[in-house]
Amino acid sequence: LAKTTQPISMDSYEGQEVNITCSHNNIATNDYITWYQQFPSQGPRFIIQGYKTKVTNEVASLFIPADRKSSTLSLPRVSLSDTAVYYCLVGAYTGTASKLTFGTGTRLQVTL
Amino acid sequence: EPEVTQTPSHQVTQMGQEVILRCVPISNHLYFYWYRQILGQKVEFLVSFYNNEISEKSEIFDDQFSVERPDGSNFTLKIRSTKLEDSAMYFCASSSRLAEIYEQYFGPGTRLTVT
Repeated sequence: LAKTTQPISMDSYEGQEVNITCSHNNIATNDYITWYQQFPSQGPRFIIQGYKTKVTNEVASLFIPADRKSSTLSLPRVSLSDTAVYYCLVGAYTGTASKLTFGTGTRLQVTL
Repeated sequence: EPEVTQTPSHQVTQMGQEVILRCVPISNHLYFYWYRQILGQKVEFLVSFYNNEISEKSEIFDDQFSVERPDGSNFTLKIRSTKLEDSAMYFCASSSRLAEIYEQYFGPGTRLTVT
């Protein structure tokens, strides 16, 4: 499994764009990059997944450079409700019962 | 939007007692999982389940743990003789084989407190 490194915590003001970068130097060819969000006392929630270049959905964007050794989750115009822990996961997902391996994540605190 | 449900939301039990945590995965999903999160720590994988058998289990999932899908909708985690260190949030998750994007849907969790 590719090891991931992401900042322990980040602070932002409401309305700003937040970029959380994850480093995964030994990512394998078959690996995808997936981000989950977790609010206190709740289960993790899938945000976005990508393999290369850029992926965008209604919640976030994911930027992956050509070498795929890092990725950046971009949250546009955060609100207080975006305060959560964000996890970067890297692994090969075959669509079968593939376990998720969570790290310590990035604790994002959004304030007014 | 379909969701994974778990009951109870909070379970308090005495050390040595058996507990059963219940989950109802999303109805058309085929793969089921249990994870746990000790307070302030990482989410840890326990076990995955497919086609009525365990696909993979972690070192945490020892002989004290078992899983079962007793009918077409429920998925349970049993801890035979609870220890203090089993106190944690237990999350059930499910996923679909046919999903283009690999996504596991997590339930809200059961907080297990062992006294």
